[in-house]
Amino acid sequence: GENVEQHPSTLSVQEGDSAVIKCTYSDSASNYFPWYKQELGKRPQLIIDIRSNVGEKKDQRIAVTLNKTAKHFSLHITETQPEDSAVYFCAAMGAGNMLTFGGGTRLMVKP
Amino acid sequence: DAGITQSPRHKVTETGTPVTLRCHQTENHRYMYWYRQDPGHGLRLIHYSYGVKDTDKGEVSDGYSVSRSKTEDFLLTLESATSSQTSVYFCAINRGRDVTDTQYFGPGTRLTVL
Repeated sequence: GENVEQHPSTLSVQEGDSAVIKCTYSDSASNYFPWYKQELGKRPQLIIDIRSNVGEKKDQRIAVTLNKTAKHFSLHITETQPEDSAVYFCAAMGAGNMLTFGGGTRLMVKP
Repeated sequence: DAGITQSPRHKVTETGTPVTLRCHQTENHRYMYWYRQDPGHGLRLIHYSYGVKDTDKGEVSDGYSVSRSKTEDFLLTLESATSSQTSVYFCAINRGRDVTDTQYFGPGTRLTVL
């Protein structure tokens, strides 16, 4: 089945800096890659997603890039703000149409 | 998200007792999922459903069963709870028509097995 690895597990940045979280996947048939943000005690919420026919997608300060050849995808957050502090999860949907999640990245934005 | 509710939100039970968690949606969507979330493991799929009485196993299905007798309800049962099943359980629904459409999560149920 699919295996998704996510790095780093924790990331600390200064307010205004950029943050990058990287994920790799194993199933070359995977075609859908969402990113979720989870604040403490809350449910995961989708922040951006990308499909395999697209290499990059942007939504204001958030962007996701996908390299299908290398089987990795990344989340980029620019001009970070304290409210960006949360745990971020990447996921990949493989041939079995099931989402497999990475282990999560705790992002801390210091004011 | 008002379209998905989970009950109970918190439960403490003892080893060996049966437990049923309920996921309820108000929007008549076809696909529903149960995940568990544990530190360091992200979210792992337990079971999913693609329609009434149509369910299938996910990555970590051992010790769990599910039922979906109505479109709006997806039940997760632990037949005999164990301490390793202490976790936060999230239900999710897919609001699209395709299985690859976005999944939206319910508020979660925190289960503690003593």
